[in-house]
Amino acid sequence: EVQMVESGGSLVQPGGSLRLSCAASGFTFSNFVMSWVRQAPGKGLEWVSAISSSGNSTYYADSVEGRFSISRDNSKNTLYLLMNSLRAEDTAVYFCARLVPAAHTPPYWGQGTLVTVSS
Amino acid sequence: QSALTQPASVSGSPGQSITISCTGTSSDVGSYNLVSWYQQYPGKAPELVIYDGSKRPSGVSNRFSGSKSGNTASLTISGLQAEDEADYYCCSYAGTSTFSYVFGTGTEVTVL
Repeated sequence: EVQMVESGGSLVQPGGSLRLSCAASGFTFSNFVMSWVRQAPGKGLEWVSAISSSGNSTYYADSVEGRFSISRDNSKNTLYLLMNSLRAEDTAVYFCARLVPAAHTPPYWGQGTLVTVSS
Repeated sequence: QSALTQPASVSGSPGQSITISCTGTSSDVGSYNLVSWYQQYPGKAPELVIYDGSKRPSGVSNRFSGSKSGNTASLTISGLQAEDEADYYCCSYAGTSTFSYVFGTGTEVTVL
């Protein structure tokens, strides 16, 4: 069974940093591109970032470009998101997701971890 | 990348059918058969109900169906039930120039 479990969410002050983790199981992690998606309280879903299966290529939404850094450790089946210069508008539940732009490959999501940016 | 456009709310009586539209552009919905739909209850993670435009994951009721015409995708829920009351989001791959995904604005479904 495909599973992804996020961790690392917490309360952080504006301007601070935080690293999220996503432990994956039930599939060959190193074969798949992986993404982070977030949802601010009472708002819709927003794709944040993605990383290629090898980790060589990374992609970011304009809203986080230059502040967030995605990475992965295929030996540990783990995805990371390092968030710097955090702002109040980064407050959201962050989901780890296996979103693959290919047919016959359904998406899978974790349950999310809450990040609150507040003083 | 602008969000895909969905109606803010749709309602129907039990047993009726409703359709939620998801309008994008030729750079996302119109270019790929990779639209997915998610059902989300308050405080819960989104759950996949449709992927690849019209495929249902195992365990999802056949009352859910998806389609696409041009730049607009649609989710139809037939035989509406009380348990269908939730928020629904569409999502499309939008990677014409670089890897990215775009989500819809979300639709609140109310069962009258």
